[in-house]
Amino acid sequence: GNSVTQMEGPVTLSEEAFLTINCTYTATGYPSLFWYVQYPGEGLQLLLKATKADDKGSNKGFEATYRKETTSFHLEKGSVQVSDSAVYFCALRRGGTALIFGKGTTLSVSS
Amino acid sequence: NAGVTQTPKFQVLKTGQSMTLQCAQDMNHNSMYWYRQDPGMGLRLIYYSASEGTTDKGEVPNGYNVSRLNKREFSLRLESAAPSQTSVYFCASSEEGGSNQPQHFGDGTRLSIL
Repeated sequence: GNSVTQMEGPVTLSEEAFLTINCTYTATGYPSLFWYVQYPGEGLQLLLKATKADDKGSNKGFEATYRKETTSFHLEKGSVQVSDSAVYFCALRRGGTALIFGKGTTLSVSS
Repeated sequence: NAGVTQTPKFQVLKTGQSMTLQCAQDMNHNSMYWYRQDPGMGLRLIYYSASEGTTDKGEVPNGYNVSRLNKREFSLRLESAAPSQTSVYFCASSEEGGSNQPQHFGDGTRLSIL
């Protein structure tokens, strides 16, 4: 079946450090891939998406590239800020079905 | 823009009590979803509704019922609450049109069952 695996956290970084959160997926066909972010006490917000192989999604300095050959969609940011502290979820959607989520990675950035 | 609105935001119940979680969206989306979020488990789908008048079970439907009241509203009911249903519940909606449409989430209902 379809599934998403993302690196376990928490990830603890200093401000301006480089961020990578790994995400790999298993799916039949060609799913769309998403990163969502959840700030404390809030719902999930779409951060970025990619809908086909080699697409790069980007938003607010975050990037992720849809790599079909490695079934990966790793999230990166060149210089994190304290305000980026949140839980990040990788997810896939296949056809008109609901999203399938990874378990989430908590990022904590200190000044 | 309101987006997806969930009520209540917090609720404490006793085991065996019943309650209904409300969700409404103002984006004219056809599809609506209910998820629960538990520590270390990510989000798991409880039920979804692809269109008004239809509902389908997700990954963890036991102990829940849903009603798609109209295009805007999708409610989740716990008939006899159990401590295992202590969780944060999220409602979401999306456009049709295939897998490239993202889902839009409400702020969640934090439910504790004693």
